[in-house]
Order: sequence, then structure tokens, then C-alpha cells
Amino acid sequence: ILNVEQSPQSLHVQEGDSTNFTCSFPSSNFYALHWYRWETAKSPEALFVMTLNGDEKKKGRISATLNTKEGYSYLYIKGSQPEDSATYLCAFHTGTASKLTFGTGTRLQVTL
Amino acid sequence: NAGVTQTPKFQVLKTGQSMTLQCAQDMNHEYMSWYRQDPGMGLRLIHYSVGAGITDQGEVPNGYNVSRSTTEDFPLRLLSAAPSQTSVYFCASSYSFPGSDEKLFFGSGTQLSVL
Repeated sequence: ILNVEQSPQSLHVQEGDSTNFTCSFPSSNFYALHWYRWETAKSPEALFVMTLNGDEKKKGRISATLNTKEGYSYLYIKGSQPEDSATYLCAFHTGTASKLTFGTGTRLQVTL
Repeated sequence: NAGVTQTPKFQVLKTGQSMTLQCAQDMNHEYMSWYRQDPGMGLRLIHYSVGAGITDQGEVPNGYNVSRSTTEDFPLRLLSAAPSQTSVYFCASSYSFPGSDEKLFFGSGTQLSVL
């Protein structure tokens, strides 16, 4: 059973703060790492899919980095806004099985 | 843009009842899957399919059946509902099995309660 861990479990920041979360995954048999944003009462939506060590992806104020050798990925949000409030999920894929293994998520709340 | 359509959104069952959760996608995706979301746990894979006529078990398949007779549809059947199956269920699809740069597209979810 693959272990994908996310920290912190939850985070409460003020509008304008920058923040980051961590996703840890097995460093062996790496194929891809996904990040999804899941807003309350909606379905998860993909942010990034990362495949190469050292990858950096950016979408607006959100960016992510990947270190496959040590088995972690960081998600950064610059200048948090209330609309960034959501649960952020990462998911790991080994490439040897047709499935993603999800972490339990980091719940972010941004207040005014 | 329909994407992934899941029905129903909410369902209450009595223990022992059976039902089918429907999932359809209009993006010509080969890969379709069912996950359940429980408090404090990540999304857990129930069953998946890499194409019409092909299905396989995920992490938590017991008590569920699937079939894939067409590319578009991937229904999930609860054979005899149990309280342990109370959960939020998501259908998700991808052009191919998720890897490389292929992301999952999720349906809106089904909140199922088994009394």
C-alpha cells in the first residue's frame, strides 16, 4: 500500500498571506504527481500534473515544485484570497498500476 | 460542456437494498473510475476501467460491482447496501489511465447514506 502524506492537515491564513503545503510520497517507482483543488460542494479540479524531477508549474498565484529523489512536492499560494479556500489534494502514480493514490488533503481557509 | 455526469446527487438507502450510481462522460475518455471519500481519509479507489469491456478492482472493491459496456458509461452497483458504505462517491475519467500529463476529470459526487 502506497503512503501519500500531506501536511498540514488544515491551515487558516489571512487574506494576502502567502502559504505552502507539502505532499510526501514514495521516492521509488515515481511516474507522476497530481495536485487537485476541491472546493466545498464542488468536485475536485486538477491544478497540475508533474512528471519530472525539478519540475515547477505555475497557474496564476499558485505554483508547485517537485523533488522525486527525496519524494516531496510543495504547493505555494502567493497572496491568498478568500476564493482560494478549499481542500488541496495530491495524488501519486507509479506508472505500474492504473490508479492514483491520494493523500488526505490540506484544508485551507482564507479569511478577510 | 457536460463533462462527467453523475446521478443521483443524494440517496438514502436501507440496509440490504441495492442501487446503481450512474456515471457518464462525453469526452471520449478511455479511463473511468469510482472513488469514495470518507472523513479523515483520502479518496480511495473502488473500481476502474481502461476501456469498454475491461474493468478491474481498486483498493476497496468489496460490496460493489461495475461494468463498462460503452466508452461513455460506467455504473457502480451496490449489491446489498451496508452502513459502512455511507460515503461520498465520485466518478472520475481521463483520456488514458492517469499518468504522464493526463489529469482526472471528476463528477459532482453522490452523497449516499445507508441506514
